[in-house]
Amino acid sequence: EAGVAQSPRYKIIEKRQSVAFWCNPISGHATLYWYQQILGQGPKLLIQFQNNGVVDDSQLPKDRFSAERLKGVDSTLKIQPAKLEDSAVYLCASSLSPSNSPLHFGNGTRLTVT
Amino acid sequence: AQSVAQPEDQVNVAEGNPLTVKCTYSVSGNPYLFWYVQYPNRGLQFLLKYITGDNLVKGSYGFEAEFNKSQTSFHLKKPSALVSDSALYFCAVRDSNYQLIWGAGTKLIIKP
Repeated sequence: EAGVAQSPRYKIIEKRQSVAFWCNPISGHATLYWYQQILGQGPKLLIQFQNNGVVDDSQLPKDRFSAERLKGVDSTLKIQPAKLEDSAVYLCASSLSPSNSPLHFGNGTRLTVT
Repeated sequence: AQSVAQPEDQVNVAEGNPLTVKCTYSVSGNPYLFWYVQYPNRGLQFLLKYITGDNLVKGSYGFEAEFNKSQTSFHLKKPSALVSDSALYFCAVRDSNYQLIWGAGTKLIIKP
């Protein structure tokens, strides 16, 4: 099966600019996650979708971050305006269900904010 | 508080020797436990999971992990390490609310 697709692979922007990331999960996976991973740390959940509904966005900085999954398949994550501390790898993952199914991750988008 | 601990930031093992990467957890209810591996510039890759049943679970690339309820541990093991096993390893546990809690990761270095 095709894996989780993410684009772009790398992105460099200046602070206060905006950026968007795209994710296409594995076909049939109802649950989609966006994680932020800072170098040397574990992944931090930003938002979790079940189909096109938000399950958990408690750690999403809503003043600057937004995400959507309008048709319950693809998802986009946006940052506007970006800050220096947003420099990280943004990982998208999907799973069949939110309970005992493992997560399948994309290769991530490495964001550098200068 | 619910948590996952990986007490070692880094583990160094000689090629061919057995390896262990430690993980302990604290969650309410029955835990669902996972191990993931991350190679440089890649996303995390699922290795194995424990949901119920046999305490020893086998996964990808010859890895296995043992669930120990009394010690609340889920250590990752491999009988004979390969240089290609060098990577970052993450333990994760899903609690009764289906929230996934991640450890901080352990860097495994296998020396030839």
